[in-house]
Amino acid sequence: AQSVTQLGSHVSVSEGALVLLRCNYSSSVPPYLFWYVQYPNQGLQLLLKYTSAATLVKGINGFEAEFKKSETSFHLTKPSAHMSDAAEYFCAVSKGAQKLVFGQGTRLTINP
Amino acid sequence: GAGVSQSPRYKVAKRGQDVALRCDPISGHVSLFWYQQALGQGPEFLTYFQNEAQLDKSGLPSDRFFAERPEGSVSTLKIQRTQQEDSAVYLCASSLTPGQGADTQYFGPGTRLTVL
Repeated sequence: AQSVTQLGSHVSVSEGALVLLRCNYSSSVPPYLFWYVQYPNQGLQLLLKYTSAATLVKGINGFEAEFKKSETSFHLTKPSAHMSDAAEYFCAVSKGAQKLVFGQGTRLTINP
Repeated sequence: GAGVSQSPRYKVAKRGQDVALRCDPISGHVSLFWYQQALGQGPEFLTYFQNEAQLDKSGLPSDRFFAERPEGSVSTLKIQRTQQEDSAVYLCASSLTPGQGADTQYFGPGTRLTVL
């Protein structure tokens, strides 16, 4: 069965510091992986997705993620945090051809 | 262009009442999904439509939950005899193509249901 685990329910970084949000997946087949961001009282917005093309995926707002099969990981990074990056981030895996299975989420706080 | 819209944005119901939540997907999107997001949790899958056909309803928590998409566009999620544990944000998402695991799902803003 496909699932994802996000390590750290809360991450706090200083403005301008590196952002690293961790996601590990379990899948019996090569997965499709997604990172979504959720701002308060809003729906989810796609940041980036891995679809078995390039292992380093670049997304919106300066975020990127690297698919590492040997580590079953798909961690999200951004070199320099901005105050506007404060939000909830969800890693997800596509199960079968339809539904997404989400992790528990990581709340990112940016300190001025 | 217009994204996925949901109404109402907020709904307060007394325990035992029936509620209906509406989703307007992006025009032309074949696939439509409903998810339930409890406070502090990630979204959990409820059901999936391809056009008007409900192909997967494995995530519906009980027979009090019912979803339809009669004309292959707008969808309604109905919850009968609401219980306090039904309190959550209900998210609707749509995607362009059927049965493509890599396809991007576009989410609406959600309906926050509070059952008193």
